Amino acid sequence: GAVVSQHPSWVICKSGTSVKIECRSLDFQATTMFWYRQFPKQSLMLMATSNEGSKATYEQGVEKDKFLINHASLTLSTLTVTSAHPEDSSFYICSARSGQGTGNTIYFGEGSWLTVV
Amino acid sequence: GQQLNQSPQSMFIQEGEDVSMNCTSSSIFNTWLWYKQDPGEGPVLLIALYKAGELTSNGRLTAQFGITRKDSFLNISASIPSDVGIYFCAGQLVGDMRFGAGTRLTVKP
Repeated sequence: GAVVSQHPSWVICKSGTSVKIECRSLDFQATTMFWYRQFPKQSLMLMATSNEGSKATYEQGVEKDKFLINHASLTLSTLTVTSAHPEDSSFYICSARSGQGTGNTIYFGEGSWLTVV
Repeated sequence: GQQLNQSPQSMFIQEGEDVSMNCTSSSIFNTWLWYKQDPGEGPVLLIALYKAGELTSNGRLTAQFGITRKDSFLNISASIPSDVGIYFCAGQLVGDMRFGAGTRLTVKP
């Protein structure tokens, strides 16, 4: 099946610094990618929808200036957590849409653990 | 956002038993997807359904796209310990995608 890869798998950063997480679709082009946050034992929380070549659409309550999303190519979207704080520590997951219309499927990356100390 | 009602929230079953979980919505979808997530990993696609009434199997897993397009179920037959994890449903309509809250499955050997 289609593969979506995230990097890094885990990262530790200091408070106040920024960290970038990459999401790549390895064997298909993804005009749309999604970024989620997941707290322990909870479901996925959609943060934003990233469309190639245009601005991301953020869900209500998600700060666009803090979580910068760039979808510069059909196979790469990045999430940058700016001025990170310990409460930003979480599991971040991306997904990418393969195909168009009614036959499309969403594939997820492996997730990235962020710990802010 | 999360607007799918997924049930049950959790299940504790004995190895070998069958499992059934479902998702319902007040909205119609044109795609239903079922995923499994292991701890610390991203969800993995199990079954994708694209047509109302469609019944699809993947090994011991069977899922159906409800005729009303507002619901779907996933069955797991003869459960084994490695079936442990969280199962999510997702409904998709054009660019909009919604997730269920997940069903946490525990299988006792």
